[in-house]
Amino acid sequence: SYVLTQPPSVSVAPGQTARITCGGNNIGTKSVHWYQQKPGQAPVLVVSDDSDRPSGIPERFSGSNSGNTATLTISRVEAGDEAEYFCQVGDSSSDWVFGGGTKVTVL
Amino acid sequence: EVQLVESGGGLVQPGGSLRLSCSASGFIFNSYAMFWVRQAPGKGLEYVSAISTGGGSIYYADSVKGRFTISRDNSKNTLYLQMNSLTPDDTAVYYCVKYRYGSPSSPGYFQYWGQGTLVTVSS
Repeated sequence: SYVLTQPPSVSVAPGQTARITCGGNNIGTKSVHWYQQKPGQAPVLVVSDDSDRPSGIPERFSGSNSGNTATLTISRVEAGDEAEYFCQVGDSSSDWVFGGGTKVTVL
Repeated sequence: EVQLVESGGGLVQPGGSLRLSCSASGFIFNSYAMFWVRQAPGKGLEYVSAISTGGGSIYYADSVKGRFTISRDNSKNTLYLQMNSLTPDDTAVYYCVKYRYGSPSSPGYFQYWGQGTLVTVSS
């Protein structure tokens, strides 16, 4: 089955930029979606279809996807962005797959 | 406002059964595919099962195939997951999730998530 690889953790100072990668074989040919999960809460969709932001998600969240890597970028990081972030791809022909998750720590 | 409220979780012995329910509101329930996604304690997210709008297309992860059954009652705006032959590996928070499209065969994303219900399989 398709495998998505994320770094376990990313640390960033407030006001700086966090970049979270999601690696997969030719992932650039797929639509990648990103979820934010804070402790004790359900996941929330923050980016869909590589780079679209759902209503209510700050413009500071953006995404890109090319080659073998998709990236979620959080600009001007705030303390409230501290969470775990998961990438996801898939459909019924290949199952729905999640990356292992990246814990973002705001220093 | 979309609301998904799961119920039915709890402690069950290995080999036992549980039935989860998810009550949906705030959207046209019979127009969207629905999923169950689970998260073991301290672990990542895992797709469990999917069902199309009318229930004619159903999918299961290999890890639950033959043991779990997904269903929906569109007249009650409710999604179900019947779980049989449970093992400790099934211990997780189970989330009810609204898909972006009506058909799971369309590549898509998980648009809204419930708060989850905890299933613990232990003797």
